Amino acid sequence: EVQLVESGGGLAKPGGSLRLSCVASGSGFSFRKDWMTWVRQGPGRGLEWVGRLKSSGSTDYAAPVKGRFTISRDESKNTVYLQMNSLRTEDTAVYYCTMGYFDSAGSYHGDEAFDIWGRGTKVFVSS
Amino acid sequence: QSALTQPPSASGSPGQSVTISCTGTSTDIGRYNYVSWYQQLPGKAPKLMIYAVNKRPSGVPDRFSGSKSGNTASLTVSGLQAEDEADYYCSSYAGSVNILLFGGGTKVTVL
Repeated sequence: EVQLVESGGGLAKPGGSLRLSCVASGSGFSFRKDWMTWVRQGPGRGLEWVGRLKSSGSTDYAAPVKGRFTISRDESKNTVYLQMNSLRTEDTAVYYCTMGYFDSAGSYHGDEAFDIWGRGTKVFVSS
Repeated sequence: QSALTQPPSASGSPGQSVTISCTGTSTDIGRYNYVSWYQQLPGKAPKLMIYAVNKRPSGVPDRFSGSKSGNTASLTVSGLQAEDEADYYCSSYAGSVNILLFGGGTKVTVL
C-alpha cells in the first residue's frame, strides 16, 4: 500500500518562501501513472484544492496561489514538492499531499477523488 | 466563502439516517458526475467515502450512499453509529480552469 509523508512546514514571514516535500513509499506507486495533488486546510476552515501534477508533468493551480506556488517532482526520490513563494498570511494552513484513485473497474480519478492522503504539514505565515 | 455550499451541521440519533446536501452550480455539480465525499475525524486526514456521485471505495460501509439531482449532491448516512461523528466534505470537478471545488464542510453529530 502506498504511503505519503509530508514535511517542510513551519513558520514563514509574509513575502517569504517555503518548500514542502511529499515522499511516496510502498508498492504500486509510480509518477508515470499517479497524479499528485496538494490540498490545504486553513485553521478551523474547510478543504481547499491548491494544485495538481499530472503524470505527464503538467501542472495546474488554484487562482489564489497561481504564480506564487510551483509543484514539481523528483522521480529518483519518489518525492513531489510544493514551492511556495510570496507567502501571505492567508496561506496559513495544514497542507496535505494526496493521490488520485484507481477504482475497481480500472478507471482513474486523478482530478476529483483522492484515496491516499498524507498526515499533512503545518504552515504558519506571520510577521 | 466556499465554492460549494454545505450546511454547517447535521445530527441524528444512533440508528437514524442523516442527509447532507452540497449545492453547486451548472458548471460543476450540474455538469459533471464527479462528486466525491470525504470524512474527516479530528486531527486526521480526510478519508474518501464516495466518488463519482454514488460509488463507494472498497472498505466503506454500505450505510454511506451518495446521489445527485441537478446542481445539488447529497450524502446519506443510514443507521448512524457513534463512529460516524465527523466532518464531511463534498467536492466536485469543475472543468479545466477551476479543476476541483470543495464544500465548506458539515459537522455530523450523533446524539
